[in-house]
Order: sequence, then structure tokens, then C-alpha cells
Amino acid sequence: DAKTTQPPSMDCAEGRAANLPCNHSTISGNEYVYWYRQIHSQGPQYIIHGLKNNETNEMASLIITEDRKSSTLILPHATLRDTAVYYCIVRVLGSSNTGKLIFGQGTTLQVKP
Amino acid sequence: DSGVTQTPKHLITATGQRVTLRCSPRSGDLSVYWYQQSLDQGLQFLIQYYNGEERAKGNILERFSAQQFPDLHSELNLSSLELGDSALYFCASSVIPGQGGNEQFFGPGTRLTVL
Repeated sequence: DAKTTQPPSMDCAEGRAANLPCNHSTISGNEYVYWYRQIHSQGPQYIIHGLKNNETNEMASLIITEDRKSSTLILPHATLRDTAVYYCIVRVLGSSNTGKLIFGQGTTLQVKP
Repeated sequence: DSGVTQTPKHLITATGQRVTLRCSPRSGDLSVYWYQQSLDQGLQFLIQYYNGEERAKGNILERFSAQQFPDLHSELNLSSLELGDSALYFCASSVIPGQGGNEQFFGPGTRLTVL
């Protein structure tokens, strides 16, 4: 699985959009980009994933660049409850893949009032 | 609530002892994963089971073992415990490993403290 690079920390004002970047310059054509978050020692929580098209769900939007070498997770209206460590993970999917997640250090997002 | 349950929530024990952590996956999920989170190592994948059989191994010590039972619940056994085994242990489950859209759902974790 490709390696990812994320900034160690970011701040965001409550109510504003939080844009969390992730670099994955060695991503392969069959690798998906996944985002999880972990709120203060709770179990990690799935947010969203994508292959090459932009994706949106009730939690967030995922923007993947055309060359797929980087992506941005967008929380449109951040709240204090979005304060967490956000992990960007790149993984291959398919019947031969185990599905295990390889976590990096992630980005600690602090949402401030 | 992810639907994944883990027991116990907290466990305090002494060096050299053996403990068992238990995980019940979400209803319908066939695959179970174990992860360890310590302060210095971050979240690390330990081992995965799928429908009762071991599917993948990560950085799991030989003192640790796991199994998945016919009812799909899983147990992680940690023996000859050392101070460095103190960590949060998470269990996650998914429907079919490696398939598109196959996100993992994590339990609340077991906090192990070895004194």
C-alpha cells in the first residue's frame, strides 16, 4: 500500500470548513483513498473513501486530484465535536487483499470556538 | 455506536500474567481485525480473521495469539505480559475483507495496563 503524508496538526474555527490535505504521490491505479478519524482514544471511525472521482456523504467530501497524487478531506461546517486525529490511508481492494488498515500519524484537527 | 463490542473496557494486571480480550463483531460481519495503539507506536495492525480462519498477520508478538470462533466472536490472548504491552487494543469488523466500499467498524477498545 502507498505511503501517505499529512500535516501533523491543523486548527479550524467552528462553523468554517476544515480542509485536511493528504499526499500520496506513489499511489497505484488500483489503490483507494480512505479517511478515518479517531476522537480522543475512541475507536477509529470511517469517514469516506474514493478512487478517482470526488465523493460526498453526510459527514464529509473527498476531493482527489486528477493525477491522484493528493487528496483533500473537507468537513463543510466544522464543530467542536470534529476535533480528532484524521487518518488518510491508501489501500488496494480486491479479493486477494486482506483489508487491513495501515495507519500513519494522521493530522490532529483542533476546532476552536 | 459501531455495533462492535469489546470486553473488558479496562484491564489492570501484573507483568508475567496472561489476559484474554474479547470482541463481538457487527451482525453479519465475517472478518475481525485486531489493532494495538500505544503512545509510541500509534495504531498498529496485529492480526485478522475471516470466517474463522487467520487471514493476515501484522506486527503481532509470538506471546500474543488470537482466534475466531464459529459464532464469529474473536479473542486476543496476551501472555507473559510486559510493561510495554500496556496499550489500547481495538477490534474492528467488516463484511468481506478487501472489497470496494468495505469499511471497517471499530469497537470502543480495551485499555490494558500492565504494572
